[in-house]
Amino acid sequence: EIVLTQSPATLSLSPGDGATLSCGASQSVSNYLAWYQQKPGQAPRLLIYDASNRATGIPARFSGSGSGTDFTLTISSLEPEDFAVYYCQQRSNWPITFGRGTRLEIK
Amino acid sequence: QVQLVESGGGVVQPGRSLRLSCAASGFTFGSYGMHWVRQAPGKGLEWVAVVSYDGSKKYYGDSVKGRFSISRDNSRNTLDLQMNSLRIEDTAVYFCAKEFRSTTWYDSWGRGTLVTVSS
Repeated sequence: EIVLTQSPATLSLSPGDGATLSCGASQSVSNYLAWYQQKPGQAPRLLIYDASNRATGIPARFSGSGSGTDFTLTISSLEPEDFAVYYCQQRSNWPITFGRGTRLEIK
Repeated sequence: QVQLVESGGGVVQPGRSLRLSCAASGFTFGSYGMHWVRQAPGKGLEWVAVVSYDGSKKYYGDSVKGRFSISRDNSRNTLDLQMNSLRIEDTAVYFCAKEFRSTTWYDSWGRGTLVTVSS
């Protein structure tokens, strides 16, 4: 199965800062990578699909890039509601796999 | 609007069975593949199973293969997960999730139902 490695595990930043989250795949997933945001007690929310496409209703401060094995989620200027856990997911090969998450916390 | 509501979770002993259900509304249920994804307490997300839009294809994660069975009833807009031979490591919140535009991205999720396997 394809292993997705997210880094860092925890990112401590302040509102207004920019954030860069990484996701590395153990083999190429082409552009079949998505990003989700999850807040405590809630279901995940789709942010980015096909590596760089924002899902409906997602603010423009969220952007995704990358292809093959290296991907990045960038949040240009953090809002208070952006502090959450972020997961990447691949659908290139079965089984579908998720990364272990990056916790974005307030510094 | 899309709504997915899971039910059926609870506390069960190892080796026993449990059946989860997901009631869907707000979209044409029979047009989309549906998945179960789980999350152990304090842990990340793990894909469990998928059933195609018409119920003809089913796939499972290795950790549940042979023990869990996914099914759907398009006439009732429901998705089920029959879980047999439960193990302590099956303890998790189980989410049902809808495919996005016939891809295996998930644009809608339920709130989840907690399954606790404990003696």
